[in-house]
Amino acid sequence: KNEVEQSPQNLTAQEGEFITINCSYSVGISALHWLQQHPGGGIVSLFMLSSGKKKHGRLIATINIQEKHSSLHITASHPRDSAVYICAPWAGGTSYGKLTFGQGTILTVHP
Amino acid sequence: NAGVTQTPKFQVLKTGQSMTLQCAQDMNHNSMYWYRQDPGMGLRLIYYSASEGTTDKGEVPNGYNVSRLNKREFSLRLESAAPSQTSVYFCASSAGTSSRSSPLHFGNGTRLTVT
Repeated sequence: KNEVEQSPQNLTAQEGEFITINCSYSVGISALHWLQQHPGGGIVSLFMLSSGKKKHGRLIATINIQEKHSSLHITASHPRDSAVYICAPWAGGTSYGKLTFGQGTILTVHP
Repeated sequence: NAGVTQTPKFQVLKTGQSMTLQCAQDMNHNSMYWYRQDPGMGLRLIYYSASEGTTDKGEVPNGYNVSRLNKREFSLRLESAAPSQTSVYFCASSAGTSSRSSPLHFGNGTRLTVT
């Protein structure tokens, strides 16, 4: 079983700060997902990546497959970024049922 | 597009009662999933359906049954609810079975309380 650890578990920031959330996992993987869970409960897929870096607006995700580590960065954070961020490594194979989800990082951005 | 629609949003059951959680997607996705989310734990897979006509157990299938009624709909049934099934349930879908290329689309969740 892939053990997934996210850090920090809780993060408080002031508007405009640069945010980094880390994800480490124990088993070699083929890809990793980053998800965002809004305060109302809805979950949105932010990124899927298997190597290097991806950018979408103010969000940047990086992954180092050899180091078994991924990071999610938020530049110029805003109160609307307040949410739970979840990483989910995928160990591969033909079934999508093998995703393992981290416990999430609770981000609160104050104005 | 509605995406993934789950019903109901909230439900309270007494121990031993049964109920079915409904899920439908309008994105022509092949694969559908049911997860539960409990405080302090990550999302855990209950059952999934890689394609119409197939279903498979996930990490925590005990106490649940599923039906892939057609390509659009995937229901989750609790035959005899137990307090341990108090949780938030999420349905999700993806175009394919490969996590490398298919993002997950989630419903808004069902908050279930079993007393």
